[in-house]
Amino acid sequence: AQSVAQPEDQVNVAEGNPLTVKCTYSVSGNPYLFWYVQYPNRGLQFLLKYITGDNLVKGSYGFEAEFNKSQTSFHLKKPSALVSDSALYFCAVRDDTDKLIFGTGTRLQVFP
Amino acid sequence: DAGVIQSPRHEVTEMGQEVTLRCKPISGHDYLFWYRQTMMRGLELLIYFNNNVPIDDSGMPEDRFSAKMPNASFSTLKIQPSEPRDSAVYFCASSSTASNYGYTFGSGTRLTVV
Repeated sequence: AQSVAQPEDQVNVAEGNPLTVKCTYSVSGNPYLFWYVQYPNRGLQFLLKYITGDNLVKGSYGFEAEFNKSQTSFHLKKPSALVSDSALYFCAVRDDTDKLIFGTGTRLQVFP
Repeated sequence: DAGVIQSPRHEVTEMGQEVTLRCKPISGHDYLFWYRQTMMRGLELLIYFNNNVPIDDSGMPEDRFSAKMPNASFSTLKIQPSEPRDSAVYFCASSSTASNYGYTFGSGTRLTVV
């Protein structure tokens, strides 16, 4: 069965430093992978997706993610973190019944 | 497009009362999903529809929960009778095959059962 794992409940980073939020996946076949962000009292917002093509995917708000097939990972990255990036981040994979399976979420805290 | 619209944004009700949550998906989207989010259990898929037909309701916690999609532009999630443990944020999301299944979420309904 398809699944994703987000091994970190929380990631802390200083403003201006690079950030990484980790995600690993398990699928049969080619994966459709997604990242979503949730700000307080809001619904999840789409950040980026990998379907096929370049392993480095660029998304909203300066975020990018690198698809690594050999490591079955899809880590979210940003070169320079902002305090406003503080939020809850979810990784997701499409399963073979066309629904998304979400990870447990990683809370990103960016300190000034 | 106004996005996925949910109503109400907040609902406070007494235990035993019926609660109805509403969702209007994005026009043209053929999938609709209902999720529940709590601190303890995270994001849980309750039920989803494809072309207005329920496909998988295995996430519905018990018979007190029911969902309908009478047409492509409207869905309801009903809890009858409600219990304090139903308190959560309920999200509706829609997607389409054409969008490669990326979801658009509504802003959610925060339900408090006292």
